[in-house]
Amino acid sequence: DAGITQSPRHKVTETGTPVTLRCHQTENHRYMYWYRQDPGHGLRLIHYSYGVKDTDKGEVSDGYSVSRSKTEDFLLTLESATSSQTSVYFCAISTSGGQETQYFGPGTRLLVL
Amino acid sequence: GIQVEQSPPDLILQEGANSTLRCNFSDSVNNLQWFHQNPWGQLINLFYIPSGTKQNGRLSATTVATERYSLLYISSSQTTDSGVYFCAVSNDYKLSFGAGTTVTVRA
Repeated sequence: DAGITQSPRHKVTETGTPVTLRCHQTENHRYMYWYRQDPGHGLRLIHYSYGVKDTDKGEVSDGYSVSRSKTEDFLLTLESATSSQTSVYFCAISTSGGQETQYFGPGTRLLVL
Repeated sequence: GIQVEQSPPDLILQEGANSTLRCNFSDSVNNLQWFHQNPWGQLINLFYIPSGTKQNGRLSATTVATERYSLLYISSSQTTDSGVYFCAVSNDYKLSFGAGTTVTVRA
């Protein structure tokens, strides 16, 4: 599982509240990713990071921000959660530059009421 | 981004049957991966296969990059093969996923 953990694993929150999801890895991989998974859409990239303090937007970045202050942690923040952000969120790492295998964390199930 | 189409969307198999899943993509890629999501939601990487053929036990995959498709073969299916199979492709850091093929293997 490439030493990837996500916290929390489940969260229920209300519309308008801020939410931060954490991804932690133990193997010092440079590249980290946040995806969301919704029925009928597969997984869609939200943001990714190619190093400490180096991040970029993915396909569905509106309403999300990220931070990476140290190699092992990649945080995803919903500044003001909306019901459309109810989803399952997966963190992933890749062993090098996106050109090799991606390994996924266990996921966080988020419900925004 | 690159468009990824997977077929069929759903597949029901009797235990012991063989099957083929297909992934078509709209642009040239230098990264293609197959994943299995089990019924508990865990995503497992099956193959990194931007071209050529690979085998791992009862699973094998072939990618014909020049024709923009990949095939995943499941032989002698088992109930533990149930779940959703995703194809994902990229020509940069960012993987684009298909919608998946849901496989149900019945005992």
